[in-house]
Amino acid sequence: DSGVTQTPKHLITATGQRVTLRCSPRSGDLSVYWYQQSLDQGLQFLIQYYNGEERAKGNILERFSAQQFPDLHSELNLSSLELGDSALYFCASSVGRGPNTEAFFGQGTRLTVV
Amino acid sequence: DAKTTQPNSMESNEEEPVHLPCNHSTISGTDYIHWYRQLPSQGPEYVIHGLTSNVNNRMASLAIAEDRKSSTLILHRATLRDAAVYYCILNRDDKIIFGKGTRLHILP
Repeated sequence: DSGVTQTPKHLITATGQRVTLRCSPRSGDLSVYWYQQSLDQGLQFLIQYYNGEERAKGNILERFSAQQFPDLHSELNLSSLELGDSALYFCASSVGRGPNTEAFFGQGTRLTVV
Repeated sequence: DAKTTQPNSMESNEEEPVHLPCNHSTISGTDYIHWYRQLPSQGPEYVIHGLTSNVNNRMASLAIAEDRKSSTLILHRATLRDAAVYYCILNRDDKIIFGKGTRLHILP
């Protein structure tokens, strides 16, 4: 158990809908990262927050948005869902920022868009 | 993003050491070398990281070449549970960018 909690574990929704994925980082961790993993794209970095502020952005679609709240939990919002958004979404957390810190990943949320 | 090159797959026998290579010829002086692994149906798991010196922890050892253009992850005694995809990553600006990794098969 990494200490990172993601909810829900599974989500099935229809095209065009909007969903929210939630991540609770390890106690004391200030950074949160979001990743998307699909079969054909591998693990894609989406976005990172540090202590409530956006720190780095990757290949995140405009239909997707995220935020980190004062209690440090984070939410990833996916809207106007398409079939191609079906994937595993992982959240990770680390205690600080910078390249000398390790990240701990949750078990992921499996999103299926039908 | 700095690039790493790893073999697509490797095989090893159970209870033998495993050396997983990674080339990163464009590494810069401030890039840390990180290794993560992903077991089937699980999230990625941190293994080890280092900058210049070799590193050891309870999971593995990391051997870094003197010129830092390559590194090797060493699993000292592989078990079936070590079968996973292993990712070598250069962490430069706090973005952990995954490549395709090496799929490690452990033969009983």
